[in-house]
Amino acid sequence: NAGVTQTPKFQVLKTGQSMTLQCAQDMNHNSMYWYRQDPGMGLRLIYYSASEGTTDKGEVPNGYNVSRLNKREFSLRLESAAPSQTSVYFCASSDGTYLSNQPQHFGDGTRLSIL
Amino acid sequence: GENVEQHPSTLSVQEGDSAVIKCTYSDSASNYFPWYKQELGKRPQLIIDIRSNVGEKKDQRIAVTLNKTAKHFSLHITETQPEDSAVYFCAASRGGSYIPTFGRGTSLIVHP
Repeated sequence: NAGVTQTPKFQVLKTGQSMTLQCAQDMNHNSMYWYRQDPGMGLRLIYYSASEGTTDKGEVPNGYNVSRLNKREFSLRLESAAPSQTSVYFCASSDGTYLSNQPQHFGDGTRLSIL
Repeated sequence: GENVEQHPSTLSVQEGDSAVIKCTYSDSASNYFPWYKQELGKRPQLIIDIRSNVGEKKDQRIAVTLNKTAKHFSLHITETQPEDSAVYFCAASRGGSYIPTFGRGTSLIVHP
């Protein structure tokens, strides 16, 4: 049972380039999330998908787009990367019950550097 | 909106001692409080959570207490071990919300 799988693990981009971070979960969870983690800032929610077919903005959505491809997969796209988007990105999932709409399982993270 | 403050930012203890991390929150409607552990370079892991209808919850050496009146909740780790060394994050949210507010984390160092 892999849990939450993210790819790639590391990526270096130049300013203005685009890329998509991939995430898949095999726990049949309804809800999926994308967070970024910066030193001293804790975890900040970028976008979430409460269930298949829906996506919503989190705290810091500017510069990002997401796609909930199916129940398993939730991708994050940077259309025109900026140095301020240098961060560690975590995908997460939860079963989405009323009082557990918070991440329960995280992926290993993607370390993204933008030059 | 919700504001969560976490203290201390760093906590250093000797192996076998107890450790306590405290979080305060501002939104009296918050009713779900998870705690996450993140070892260096690893993913965050949900280690324990508490709902507002419960005052205390235990799981082996860890426990969480909640004081709704004072709007604070704490993580207690007893008989600490070196493998407990990590950053611990608290969070608070309302039921039905997908957007938790995280504390800034506490770096726990357990010295052998």
